[in-house]
Amino acid sequence: SQQGEEDPQALSIQEGENATMNCSYKTSINNLQWYRQNSGRGLVHLILIRSNEREKHSGRLRVTLDTSKKSSSLLITASRAADTASYFCATDATSGYALNFGKGTSLLVTP
Amino acid sequence: EPEVTQTPSHQVTQMGQEVILRCVPISNHLYFYWYRQILGQKVEFLVSFYNNEISEKSEIFDDQFSVERPDGSNFTLKIRSTKLEDSAMYFCASSLLAGSVFGPGTRLTVL
Repeated sequence: SQQGEEDPQALSIQEGENATMNCSYKTSINNLQWYRQNSGRGLVHLILIRSNEREKHSGRLRVTLDTSKKSSSLLITASRAADTASYFCATDATSGYALNFGKGTSLLVTP
Repeated sequence: EPEVTQTPSHQVTQMGQEVILRCVPISNHLYFYWYRQILGQKVEFLVSFYNNEISEKSEIFDDQFSVERPDGSNFTLKIRSTKLEDSAMYFCASSLLAGSVFGPGTRLTVL
């Protein structure tokens, strides 16, 4: 399968620090996306990076993509307690844009 | 901002009963999806729907499952005879192309 797999599984940092999460996948992709999920809630789309892009920014988020290594990273700068959530990478490789999700990184940001 | 809505937010049913989960995708989106997330596990793709037909489905989406777009706005997932292992959060999503927007989910509990 071509699931994204994130690491670390869990990350605990203090407010103001940066959080970096990594994702690896197995097969060629069209796009890679990062989603956030608060406990028991829905998935919020954070950012999409296309296979021909290497880096993308959105506010405090920075995503990189290395297709040669089949990996991506999500950096959250100057973290806040409200960033506490699970973060998932998801890849799509088909024309139908169906997503394969990783198991997620659980981020805890303490004040 | 447009959003995907799902009803009900929580459904409790007896094993063997039929359930219908409802979704209203974003109006100008072309692709519609159902995903599920068993408690503590990753989000799994079930099915995608485009141009009034299933475009892709996973191994999970067996004969017990069906989808329908009965009118111009609703998108439904039917489980014919629920099993205990169908208990999960079910997420509807829609997209114009890549970049799916997810609904808040329906928590299905099968007793």
